[in-house]
Amino acid sequence: TQLLEQSPQFLSIQEGENLTVYCNSSSVFSSLQWYRQEPGEGPVLLVTVVTGGEVKKLKRLTFQFGDARKDSSLHITAAQPGDTGLYLCAGETGGFKTIFGAGTRLFVKA
Amino acid sequence: GAGVSQSPSNKVTEKGKDVELRCDPISGHTALYWYRQRLGQGLEFLIYFQGNSAPDKSGLPSDRFSAERTGESVSTLTIQRTQQEDSAVYLCASSPSGLAGRRLYFGPGTRLTVL
Repeated sequence: TQLLEQSPQFLSIQEGENLTVYCNSSSVFSSLQWYRQEPGEGPVLLVTVVTGGEVKKLKRLTFQFGDARKDSSLHITAAQPGDTGLYLCAGETGGFKTIFGAGTRLFVKA
Repeated sequence: GAGVSQSPSNKVTEKGKDVELRCDPISGHTALYWYRQRLGQGLEFLIYFQGNSAPDKSGLPSDRFSAERTGESVSTLTIQRTQQEDSAVYLCASSPSGLAGRRLYFGPGTRLTVL
């Protein structure tokens, strides 16, 4: 069974602080994605990484895919209250089935 | 264009009753997924349809759960003899044809409460 473990499960920080969220697995994935979900809505894709060692930047968000394609991290610089939400990593297995981690719930205080 | 829609948005039922949840994917999307999200938790994979291939049912938690899809359009998730532990938000997602790293487009979900 392929599993994705996210840490931390919950993070509460002050506006302006930096943070990193981790997504780990013992399995290799053809791609990893990060989604953000707000209350009452479905998750929305932030980024897809497909190449081992890949780094992608999206404004204040930096995403890394591990060299072995088993893990990923999301780093947010100078967090803002608008970053508050549930961050989910998702891995695509053989056969194109997508599985999700349990998520990291981020709360950024003004 | 229209996104993924789900109905009903909320469903309250009594233990032991059957419920049917509906998902209308984005037109032209060949892949369709159902996930379950319990309060404060991540997404639990239930079932995956890809075109005319046999669905991947490996995530269905029991034989009370079943799902169907008509061609590449509407899908229904049926839960028979509902139990209180079935209470959750049921999310549907669709995506374009099978390419690595494709984006999933989610509906707003159906919140199911079993009393």
